[in-house]
Amino acid sequence: GAVVSQHPSWVICKSGTSVKIECRSLDFQATTMFWYRQFPKQSLMLMATSNEGSKATYEQGVEKDKFLINHASLTLSTLTVTSAHPEDSSFYICSMDYGEMGSYEQYFGPGTRLTVT
Amino acid sequence: QKEVEQNSGPLSVPEGAIASLNCTYSDRGSQSFFWYRQYSGKSPELIMFIYSNGDKEDGRFTAQLNKASQYVSLLIRDSQPSDSATYLCAVNAGYSTLTFGKGTMLLVSP
Repeated sequence: GAVVSQHPSWVICKSGTSVKIECRSLDFQATTMFWYRQFPKQSLMLMATSNEGSKATYEQGVEKDKFLINHASLTLSTLTVTSAHPEDSSFYICSMDYGEMGSYEQYFGPGTRLTVT
Repeated sequence: QKEVEQNSGPLSVPEGAIASLNCTYSDRGSQSFFWYRQYSGKSPELIMFIYSNGDKEDGRFTAQLNKASQYVSLLIRDSQPSDSATYLCAVNAGYSTLTFGKGTMLLVSP
C-alpha cells in the first residue's frame, strides 16, 4: 500500500516554456500533499503544502505565481513550473500524507527530473 | 525554529556490521519520528517510524527514541552494500509538515 506515482519521470524543456508535473496516489486518499525540490547533493527543500479544495501554502522564497499547484482531488496534485528558466532545473518530488490516525507518514513519488535548456 | 540535526557522514561500515545513525531534534513538542532512505538520484523511501520512547524493530532495522534527550537513532544490523544510501531523519510536531534533517550518507563496503 501507500504507492505514489509521478509523471513524467524526466522532462527537458526550453527556457520560457511551462511544464506540468502530475502526482497521484494509487491506493489511498491523501488529505495533504507536498511538493519538494532537491538540487544535486543537497537536502530536500519543501516548496509548498496543499490540502484538497484549498489554496497551497508556499514556503518562504518560493514564488507562487511561478510554481502553480492544483490539488484537484484526494488522489491527484499537479505542479506547473511556468516560464521555466535554467535555474529551475532540479529534481521535483511530491509526497502525500498517508495520515491514518494522525500518523503523518509521508510517502514520496519517484520524482521528476527537470532540465531547462 | 524547528531543527533536525544529523551528521552528514559518510559513515563507513564493513559488510555484516551494525550501522548506527543518529539524529537530534530541537522541538520538544515533536510527536512522530521517521527514517527515510534515499539512494542517489532517487526519491526518499520510508523505512521506519516511531512514536513512543524505546525501541521499534522491523527486520534488520531498529529505531530508538528518547524524547527526554530529544534523540532518535536507526540501527541497521548485518549491513549490506545495498544499504549504502543517504538516511534522512524527519520529525513531526503534531501537524502534517515534516522537518527533515540533511541526511547521513552510509557506505557499506563488501
